[in-house]
Amino acid sequence: GIQVEQSPPDLILQEGANSTLRCNFSDSVNNLQWFHQNPWGQLINLFYIPSGTKQNGRLSATTVATERYSLLYISSSQTTDSGVYFCASRSNDYKLSFGAGTTVTVRA
Amino acid sequence: DTEVTQTPKHLVMGMTNKKSLKCEQHMGHRAMYWYKQKAKKPPELMFVYSYEKLSINESVPSRFSPECPNSSLLNLHLHALQPEDSALYLCASSQKLVGGADTQYFGPGTRLTVL
Repeated sequence: GIQVEQSPPDLILQEGANSTLRCNFSDSVNNLQWFHQNPWGQLINLFYIPSGTKQNGRLSATTVATERYSLLYISSSQTTDSGVYFCASRSNDYKLSFGAGTTVTVRA
Repeated sequence: DTEVTQTPKHLVMGMTNKKSLKCEQHMGHRAMYWYKQKAKKPPELMFVYSYEKLSINESVPSRFSPECPNSSLLNLHLHALQPEDSALYLCASSQKLVGGADTQYFGPGTRLTVL
């Protein structure tokens, strides 16, 4: 399967700050998703974004498929943004490969 | 409705118990998945069902036994588990197994503790 690397592994933010999370993947993909896992374990879909740019409120994501990376932007962070952010991708097989995650802590 | 539900939320069992985890989706999805997630790790795929047939078993020990009674339901039967099987078990579904734009949706998980 695809190899997925996420950076940074940990991020501590003050409330109101902006941040960028990065996901590099090892091969061309037809599926790339960003998830937020909250402290209770729920994996919440943020974006399905194999290419291009999408925005949803304070979050946006960009995938540059030709250069094999995706970025997740968090603007005006809030304490509810805390949790682990996973990038996951897939090429032509069945398996969604997850990165190791970025743990985000937003302090009030 | 993009909801996948799982029951129970928490489960504590002994090594000699038999228990089952349940997952349900009503999105008309034809692929359903079981994942296992240990603390501070990403989810690991265990099983995949496509059109109610087991398509993928990621070399999971036989003490885990999946079942797909119909297109909306997925069960995971547990027997003679070990303490190292304690983890968060996540169910997911997607429109189909391979090909095309296909988002996986995850349930809230069952947090399993094996004593």
